[in-house]
Amino acid sequence: DADVTQTPRNRITKTGKRIMLECSQTKGHDRMYWYRQDPGLGLRLIYYSFDVKDINKGEISDGYSVSRQAQAKFSLSLESAIPNQTALYFCATSDSAEYSNQPQHFGDGTRLSIL
Amino acid sequence: GENVEQHPSTLSVQEGDSAVIKCTYSDSASNYFPWYKQELGKGPQLIIDIRSNVGEKKDQRIAVTLNKTAKHFSLHITETQPEDSAVYFCAASFNSGYALNFGKGTSLLVTP
Repeated sequence: DADVTQTPRNRITKTGKRIMLECSQTKGHDRMYWYRQDPGLGLRLIYYSFDVKDINKGEISDGYSVSRQAQAKFSLSLESAIPNQTALYFCATSDSAEYSNQPQHFGDGTRLSIL
Repeated sequence: GENVEQHPSTLSVQEGDSAVIKCTYSDSASNYFPWYKQELGKGPQLIIDIRSNVGEKKDQRIAVTLNKTAKHFSLHITETQPEDSAVYFCAASFNSGYALNFGKGTSLLVTP
């Protein structure tokens, strides 16, 4: 989905390095999410944000941090990367609605390899 | 938390045949069930979704059915084409909840 842009698309780095993955969106959505995808495990939620002042941990937040710099920007950081964080990372956005879930729209992912 | 089981993990069909992918969920409070298609090198793309107040929804060759009593929902693709080959994910979530709980995916191959 070109409306959700992730950078970089690919990254190879070494154990112990600090890494930042960036996500920007032009959909005007309030809600943004970071997921991790591992082969055979589907997608798992790392962090989510309902607006600029709202940050929440997901299922697998240990070892990660996030920053919501603006409505359109949500970045994911690995403070000290370790090999088992090698995965495909996806950012997603959704509109907000008080009483019903809204569809989530995904970027094309960042493939991260940690040596 | 919600647990979503998806079957089969791989599915091979001939072009023109139908494909069915099934998912079960554990949390009876779940009421939103989207299906995503993921092509190689791309992010998941929403193809259809259904809410718990509806039993079936269709969009051209794609349909989803929901059985709330049994807590399972299924994706049906008719008249399959080679371009339907991809990984399909089901997911479940509950009202105004934040998380989509995904199944582990089904790799569909449509052979000419």
